[in-house]
Amino acid sequence: DAKTTQPTSMDCAEGRAANLPCNHSTISGNEYVYWYRQIHSQGPQYIIHGLKNNETNEMASLIITEDRKSSTLILPHATLRDTAVYYCIVRRPQGGSEKLVFGKGMKLTVNP
Amino acid sequence: DVKVTQSSRYLVKRTGEKVFLECVQDMDHENMFWYRQDPGLGLRLIYFSYDVKMKEKGDIPEGYSVSREKKERFSLILESASTNQTSMYLCASSDRVAGELFFGEGSRLTVL
Repeated sequence: DAKTTQPTSMDCAEGRAANLPCNHSTISGNEYVYWYRQIHSQGPQYIIHGLKNNETNEMASLIITEDRKSSTLILPHATLRDTAVYYCIVRRPQGGSEKLVFGKGMKLTVNP
Repeated sequence: DVKVTQSSRYLVKRTGEKVFLECVQDMDHENMFWYRQDPGLGLRLIYFSYDVKMKEKGDIPEGYSVSREKKERFSLILESASTNQTSMYLCASSDRVAGELFFGEGSRLTVL
């Protein structure tokens, strides 16, 4: 199963872009990269996902390298409310179901 | 608004008690999941279900069982609660195609 590696933590200044890296060097061809975040005392929240092309939505952009071994989540203008634990995970289809395995994630702290 | 509802936000139980954690989703999703979350360990998958009456073990199923009698409801059962099962329990659901997980707010269980 493809696993992901993220830094333990990162700081960012309010209003600046936050670039959150993730390595997934063993990802296979049909696996998607998903990003979630968890604000303290809440359940995780979906942000974005992609297969090979870059993706953008109202929350963030996802840049996946051409070899798909790593990706970067970009929050273009970080706010204090973006302080959270961010999870980069790889979708692993298994027997018709989709089992998403979360790691420890990365704590992003946005500072005023 | 899509919703995953967990029956209790906070529970306190005694060692040896039987504990039921209930989860209901209103999105007609095929897949449902139970995770536990502990400091420093991230989210760990206990069980998941991809259809009514179907279940698959996750990474840490020991000491737990599940029930999926109806599509919208997925229950986690601790037959004989132990102190090492004190944790935050998170339920999630997803449809088969998109794979985006929707999480409940979590149930914080304390076993004394």
